[in-house]
Amino acid sequence: SQQGEEDPQALSIQEGENATMNCSYKTSINNLQWYRQNSGRGLVHLILIRSNEREKHSGRLRVTLDTSKKSSSLLITASRAADTASYFCATDRGNAGGTSYGKLTFGQGTILTVHP
Amino acid sequence: EPEVTQTPSHQVTQMGQEVILRCVPISNHLYFYWYRQILGQKVEFLVSFYNNEISEKSEIFDDQFSVERPDGSNFTLKIRSTKLEDSAMYFCASSERPYRGDNEQFFGPGTRLTVL
Repeated sequence: SQQGEEDPQALSIQEGENATMNCSYKTSINNLQWYRQNSGRGLVHLILIRSNEREKHSGRLRVTLDTSKKSSSLLITASRAADTASYFCATDRGNAGGTSYGKLTFGQGTILTVHP
Repeated sequence: EPEVTQTPSHQVTQMGQEVILRCVPISNHLYFYWYRQILGQKVEFLVSFYNNEISEKSEIFDDQFSVERPDGSNFTLKIRSTKLEDSAMYFCASSERPYRGDNEQFFGPGTRLTVL
């Protein structure tokens, strides 16, 4: 698989349930970011987790990062119909000096459908 | 809340024509990026730009592409002679500064380019 691969490809749940999406990557990273994209629209930045962090929270979002397994998960708790969107992870490999200059590598995304 | 803006939202052009896509990054941001997303595919990095020069570019960003910051607010992507395969959604992004491990990128709503 390529850098930044999410699974599942599609997830369908009922409102109020939790949604968990996973992302795997192949190379070392500086940070990993999660984005949301509503159909045909722009990318909304959700959360960034650094390579030296293991877990991060933002509202109903919880992100974990396991650099030994090169994987991350995004948990959305108490989902709402408005959470229906595609969710992407994107990795920033940084440069040799450890700073970050961009070049996010995106995965294919998980399409989340939350039924009211 | 500050946001990245892009114009036009949709551009239709004939093959071989030149197009310029425009972006206004967030005002205190220093790093600027272009990405594209062909329908149904991943978001792909094209180029990063800092201090009036290209920091990094992908293999997609060939001689037909150029970027420019013509004034203090705009950031443009020019495709010199469009091909059918250039049809995609083009996203501009900006980030404040690349700290060690931090590089939150904020994306614009995108310009949908259709080449006929």
